[in-house]
Amino acid sequence: QKEVEQNSGPLSVPEGAIASLNCTYSDRGSQSFFWYRQYSGKSPELIMFIYSNGDKEDGRFTAQLNKASQYVSLLIRDSQPSDSATYLCAVMGYGGSQGNLIFGKGTKLSVKP
Amino acid sequence: DAGVIQSPRHEVTEMGQEVTLRCKPISGHNSLFWYRQTMMRGLELLIYFNNNVPIDDSGMPEDRFSAKMPNASFSTLKIQPSEPRDSAVYFCASSKSGTGDTQYFGPGTRLTVL
Repeated sequence: QKEVEQNSGPLSVPEGAIASLNCTYSDRGSQSFFWYRQYSGKSPELIMFIYSNGDKEDGRFTAQLNKASQYVSLLIRDSQPSDSATYLCAVMGYGGSQGNLIFGKGTKLSVKP
Repeated sequence: DAGVIQSPRHEVTEMGQEVTLRCKPISGHNSLFWYRQTMMRGLELLIYFNNNVPIDDSGMPEDRFSAKMPNASFSTLKIQPSEPRDSAVYFCASSKSGTGDTQYFGPGTRLTVL
């Protein structure tokens, strides 16, 4: 059973701080990793994807991937109250499962003004 | 550009009734996905289609669930008969192809089975 694990939170950070969201996955062969943001009552929307080990930066967001440790993280710099949402980590299967996204249950982030 | 369109947005029905959820993917997208989201289980893939062909339906919970994609612009997810445990938000998503492309989600259908 392929699994994606996230701390459910809530993770509370003050405005302007760095929020760090973490995710581990069980399928060592996974190649593609995604972070989605979901506001309450809304649908998930893609923030970033990462395929290679290391860091990938996009504005205030940085995704970090360590395939050896089967670990992917999302850093949000200068956190804003508008960043308050649930963040879903997703891992794409490979081979026969290519195309399937396996989602973690999400980490709820709260940014306090 | 229109995003993924789902209907209805809300559905309340009684146990034993048939429920049909509808989805129109983004034009030009070749892959379509049906997900179910609950507090307990999170977001689960039910089935996905590539070029209108079901590729993986291993997430479909049981025979009461069925999905079709008769053409590139329309898909349905049917539950017959419905049960209270089917209450959830059902999302449809589409992508240009299934292999690593971004999936774009529709607004979801909130299903309540009484």
